[in-house]
Amino acid sequence: AQSVTQLDSHVSVSEGTPVLLRCNYSSSYSPSLFWYVQHPNKGLQLLLKYTSAATLVKGINGFEAEFKKSETSFHLTKPSAHMSDAAEYFCVVSAPSGGSYIPTFGRGTSLIVHP
Amino acid sequence: GAVVSQHPSRVICKSGTSVKIECRSLDFQATTMFWYRQFPKQSLMLMATSNEGSKATYEQGVEKDKFLINHASLTLSTLTVTSAHPEDSSFYICSARDYGQGIFYEQFFGPGTRLTVL
Repeated sequence: AQSVTQLDSHVSVSEGTPVLLRCNYSSSYSPSLFWYVQHPNKGLQLLLKYTSAATLVKGINGFEAEFKKSETSFHLTKPSAHMSDAAEYFCVVSAPSGGSYIPTFGRGTSLIVHP
Repeated sequence: GAVVSQHPSRVICKSGTSVKIECRSLDFQATTMFWYRQFPKQSLMLMATSNEGSKATYEQGVEKDKFLINHASLTLSTLTVTSAHPEDSSFYICSARDYGQGIFYEQFFGPGTRLTVL
């Protein structure tokens, strides 16, 4: 079994300040982990992914995330928020389950960026 | 990166009619596609996993006779909402996995279809 917990339903930051979106997971196997972004009424875009290579993963638009096995975390960060970062962010875990890889989504975190 | 398209992007229909939504992988072969439903301000809810050439696997609580899924080719899966009712109004999103490029676990998402049932 696997699960994902996004600890914050909303995160509010000022433009130019750091962003931290938290994600904890549980999985019986070594998982792959992903962060996706969704702008209003749009599909999902992959920001970055961890698939058992380097634990610090760099993604698009200046985002990065660090896989910490001891803490079962995969938090998403960005040094300086931009207005265009305002969107919904989803953490996803994917691990073997009955011979296939079924992804499990977190509930999402809404990032609000103030001018 | 790999591209997934959905058609239509938006559809409005009368209660009792059926609506078909297409999901296509444009530049890769997708042996597995996923169908999700998303309500406003909520996460994606997996409805079913669609495997090319076989029956779809539905998640618990999803009516297979209501939401018909066909994955007839490696690049096309369709979701048909039969006898649609207002409560079926939602944002439907498909995704596909590209097995051919070694990115086994990554999903590529379509842009979504907004279904409104009057």
